[in-house]
Amino acid sequence: EIVMTQSPATVSVSPGERATLSCRASQSVSSNVAWYQQKPGQAPRHLIYDASTRATGIPARFSGSGSGTEFTLTISSLQSEDFAVYYCQQYNNWPPYTFGQGTKLEIK
Amino acid sequence: EVQLVESGGGLVQPGGSLRLSCAASGFTFSSYEMNWVRQAPGKGLEWVSYISTSGNTRYADSVKGRFTISRDNAKSSLYLQMNSLRVEDTAFYYCARGIHAFGYWGQGTLVTVSS
Repeated sequence: EIVMTQSPATVSVSPGERATLSCRASQSVSSNVAWYQQKPGQAPRHLIYDASTRATGIPARFSGSGSGTEFTLTISSLQSEDFAVYYCQQYNNWPPYTFGQGTKLEIK
Repeated sequence: EVQLVESGGGLVQPGGSLRLSCAASGFTFSSYEMNWVRQAPGKGLEWVSYISTSGNTRYADSVKGRFTISRDNAKSSLYLQMNSLRVEDTAFYYCARGIHAFGYWGQGTLVTVSS
């Protein structure tokens, strides 16, 4: 089973600033990584697939990068609605699909 | 508009059974792979099960032999039969559309396993 490790667990960023969230796979997953955003009391929302392709309707301030074992989700110019928990997920070797433990993005 | 609406959650004793349903609308259900993903309260996401358009299934090791995923394309519905429930199965259960990345999710239904 591939283990996805996200860092940091919590990050504090000011509105208007840039946030960089990291995700590391325990072995290469090529570019088969997705990112999700989850707000309290809500279902996850799909942001990115294939490591860098934005899902339908996702604003351009969200970008993904990486391949192999290292992946990054960058949110430029943070808006108030962006403060949430973010999860990465690999789908290169499944079953099982595996998720990272999440990074909480909070307001500084 | 794509909609996924789960139902069937509730309180059940350890060893008991429960059947979850997910009603789909806004898309051709029979053309899409579907999944169940769960989230224990305050915890992260855990993939549970997958079903292909033709009915092939996959399971997480933690539920294999206890849970059964199925679909009824005529009713645009997805199901999860959960038997031999354990306290550690307590979670919100989400149905999610897609193979690989999950583009659409339902709002979830809470399953609580407790005596």
